[in-house]
Amino acid sequence: EAGVTQFPSHSVIEKGQTVTLRCDPISGHDNLYWYRRVMGKEIKFLLHFVKESKQDESGMPNNRFLAERTGGTYSTLKVQPAELEDSGVYFCASSRQGDQPQHFGDGTRLSIL
Amino acid sequence: AQSVTQLGSHVSVSEGALVLLRCNYSSSVPPYLFWYVQYPNQGLQLLLKYTTGATLVKGINGFEAEFKKSETSFHLTKPSAHMSDAAEYFCAVRRSSGNTGKLIFGQGTTLQVKP
Repeated sequence: EAGVTQFPSHSVIEKGQTVTLRCDPISGHDNLYWYRRVMGKEIKFLLHFVKESKQDESGMPNNRFLAERTGGTYSTLKVQPAELEDSGVYFCASSRQGDQPQHFGDGTRLSIL
Repeated sequence: AQSVTQLGSHVSVSEGALVLLRCNYSSSVPPYLFWYVQYPNQGLQLLLKYTTGATLVKGINGFEAEFKKSETSFHLTKPSAHMSDAAEYFCAVRRSSGNTGKLIFGQGTTLQVKP
């Protein structure tokens, strides 16, 4: 089966611009997670979807970040406007059920100039 | 609240030597514990997990970890390091109950294997 895929693999934008990251989970996986790793820090949870509903969004840093999962398939994470501290690697993960191990994508490396 | 501490951001071993990567956790409820590995320019790959049952867990690529509740530890070991084991390793914890599956990660340990 195809793994979790993320687009783009790299994105370089200027401060104040908008960027949208996409994640395609493994087919049939209802649970979708977003994580972020800022350079030099640990990987941190952002939010968790169950199908199209936000189950837990306690890790979203502020209202410049908007995550959607319309239709319960792929998900997007939009940053608007981007700030320097948003730079990092954004990982997406999915699992069939909430208590099963999560499968991770390769991540999107986001650089804000 | 839950947290994970990985002792040592960098560990260097010789090829064929024992690998020991340390992980200690804090959790107010029984935890599920995981080790993930990240090779350069790749995503995280699950090495092994502990949920319930046997406290010595075997994973892929010859790795194993032992859950020690009294020490709140979940150290990762491999008897003999191989060059291909060079990567970054992450210990993670999640709640064993409730409806959130979010993982709490440690800071990561980069393993260097010298020939």
